[in-house]
Amino acid sequence: DVQLVESGGGLVKPGGSLRLSCAASGMTLSGYSMTWVRQAPGKGLEWVSSISGSSAYIYYRDSVKGRFTVSRDNVKNSLFLQMNSLRAEDTAVYYCARDRGDCTTTSCPTPAEYWGQGTLVSVSS
Amino acid sequence: DIQMTQSPSSLSASVGDSVTITCRAGQGVNNYLAWFQQKPGKAPKSLIYAASSLQSGVPSRFSGSGSGTDFTLTISSLQPEDFATYYCQQYRTYPLTFGQGTKLEIK
Repeated sequence: DVQLVESGGGLVKPGGSLRLSCAASGMTLSGYSMTWVRQAPGKGLEWVSSISGSSAYIYYRDSVKGRFTVSRDNVKNSLFLQMNSLRAEDTAVYYCARDRGDCTTTSCPTPAEYWGQGTLVSVSS
Repeated sequence: DIQMTQSPSSLSASVGDSVTITCRAGQGVNNYLAWFQQKPGKAPKSLIYAASSLQSGVPSRFSGSGSGTDFTLTISSLQPEDFATYYCQQYRTYPLTFGQGTKLEIK
């Protein structure tokens, strides 16, 4: 079965940190770009960050730049999102997605293909 | 940022109907347009990429068209499992941006 499973979400106080993980099974992440997308309660989808297969290309939305760090371990077939200085507005379900291809100098961005089930991050005092 | 605007925001239809959802980009995105389906409490599901290419396993009653700034998602012969919220997304450039969503409800 092709599956992405996120973990690491939870309740954290403003200013705190969390590290999300996304583990793949039944598919390889190597050679594919990966993306984090979030969804605040009752709201629409919002792109957060993307990372290319080799980690050569990394992108963030402005509101998380300097606070969030995306990384991957292709040997462990996993994706990560380190979230620091969390704010109430970061409260959301965070989804990881494997893209259809890899971000290269001639083809970037790439569209999401497979999605995880999501992990809830709640930032509140 | 490229703004994506979907219309309508919601619509009601019956099983067997055909429906069309429109997505307009604030500037040209060529055909770098994807459509996603999301059911309540579930993860998004990828339906279409490159404006009109179906993801593997997606039924042929789903179709997409358009290029530049104007795009459509058409679902022919609605099935009960198609009632959900649909999002378009441009991947022409970062930041990737989504439309606000169109909620398709059973009439």
